[in-house]
Amino acid sequence: RKEVEQDPGPFNVPEGATVAFNCTYSNSASQSFFWYRQDCRKEPKLLMSVYSSGNEDGRFTAQLNRASQYISLLIRDSKLSDSATYLCVVNLNTGNQFYFGTGTSLTVIP
Amino acid sequence: DAGVIQSPRHEVTEMGQEVTLRCKPISGHNSLFWYRQTMMRGLELLIYFNNNVPIDDSGMPEDRFSAKMPNASFSTLKIQPSEPRDSAVYFCASSGSWRVTDTQYFGPGTRLTVL
Repeated sequence: RKEVEQDPGPFNVPEGATVAFNCTYSNSASQSFFWYRQDCRKEPKLLMSVYSSGNEDGRFTAQLNRASQYISLLIRDSKLSDSATYLCVVNLNTGNQFYFGTGTSLTVIP
Repeated sequence: DAGVIQSPRHEVTEMGQEVTLRCKPISGHNSLFWYRQTMMRGLELLIYFNNNVPIDDSGMPEDRFSAKMPNASFSTLKIQPSEPRDSAVYFCASSGSWRVTDTQYFGPGTRLTVL
């Protein structure tokens, strides 16, 4: 079983739509959670960390559900520039082993 | 800040040849990571270093792969001999410390094609 699983998509949404991605993780001892964004043929870049209480950064909201072992990313009022692959990342506290999901592809359509 | 620097950006080689990928982490960062990304398997951690010391190389696929970090500003990933299944994008990333909460900053990657 993979450590982190994501729906690969693709998600094709119109501009202005709200879209949500989920990611599940297998190890209940996981301690740190992140969403990274990766543009086509580019390197991954940190989008936001995910905190237990949930956190928001502008149009982006991240949530963590430890009981069900999933994290989510909500994008409101989506822009063309949001088109990218979104990677879910989970880290155990026993070392520096980051587990990346395979990513969810988002295309925002004019 | 120049960010993480990787070279070469693209490498095309023939099966059996030796390939060396290079990485310069962000100055002052103590941890360095090598990843491989393919469509099928996504992003996989190969090895990481803390203060130039290899900590976990369990992700290194086999003995054909080796990594070194002779000093705080330079690391190499070597594949010898290379095989077509090694074709992938190889990323180097660095972070400020070994703490799990520290952000990793990725280099632009090396796109390797083994014919």
